[in-house]
Amino acid sequence: EAGVAQSPRYKIIEKRQSVAFWCNPISGHATLYWYQQILGQGPKLLIQFQNNGVVDDSQLPKDRFSAERLKGVDSTLKIQPAKLEDSAVYLCASSRGGRNNQPQHFGDGTRLSIL
Amino acid sequence: DAKTTQPPSMDCAEGRAANLPCNHSTISGNEYVYWYRQIHSQGPQYIIHGLKNNETNEMASLIITEDRKSSTLILPHATLRDTAVYYCIVRDSETSGSRLTFGEGTQLTVNP
Repeated sequence: EAGVAQSPRYKIIEKRQSVAFWCNPISGHATLYWYQQILGQGPKLLIQFQNNGVVDDSQLPKDRFSAERLKGVDSTLKIQPAKLEDSAVYLCASSRGGRNNQPQHFGDGTRLSIL
Repeated sequence: DAKTTQPPSMDCAEGRAANLPCNHSTISGNEYVYWYRQIHSQGPQYIIHGLKNNETNEMASLIITEDRKSSTLILPHATLRDTAVYYCIVRDSETSGSRLTFGEGTQLTVNP
């Protein structure tokens, strides 16, 4: 089966600009996650969707970050305005949902650099 | 979720077994042990998970102690492509939408 697809692979912007990332999960996966990974650290969950509803966004900086999954399939993550500390890799993951011991499968991420 | 402790780095010779330890002394009864790895410039890759019993798949074996306070991931015949950061994660199976909480992991280097 095809894996989690993310685009773009790399993005460079200046601070205070806006940026958006796109994710297409594995077909049939109801649960979708966005993680932020700062260099040298493990990924940190930003937001989790179950179909098109938000399950957990407790660690999402809502003053500048937003995410949507309108039709319960693809998702976009947006940052507006970007700050220097947002430089990181943004990872999307998906799982079948339902029972919580289903493993998450990750895309290769979007590497964001803020100048 | 329970916290895990892993050594920051390990080395292994190519072709030998790599045994990666993980301590999770505060694990509760409904928490699974997951292992992921992350090769440079790629997303984390799921390896294996277990609750109480030892598990084996095509990638690795997971040995969980009887008291569930520690576990070991075994790569039976390590290759250079197994060089990666390995994350041991304890995850609540009953909380709706339980997240994966990544620590800093173990950097495994497989040497020729």
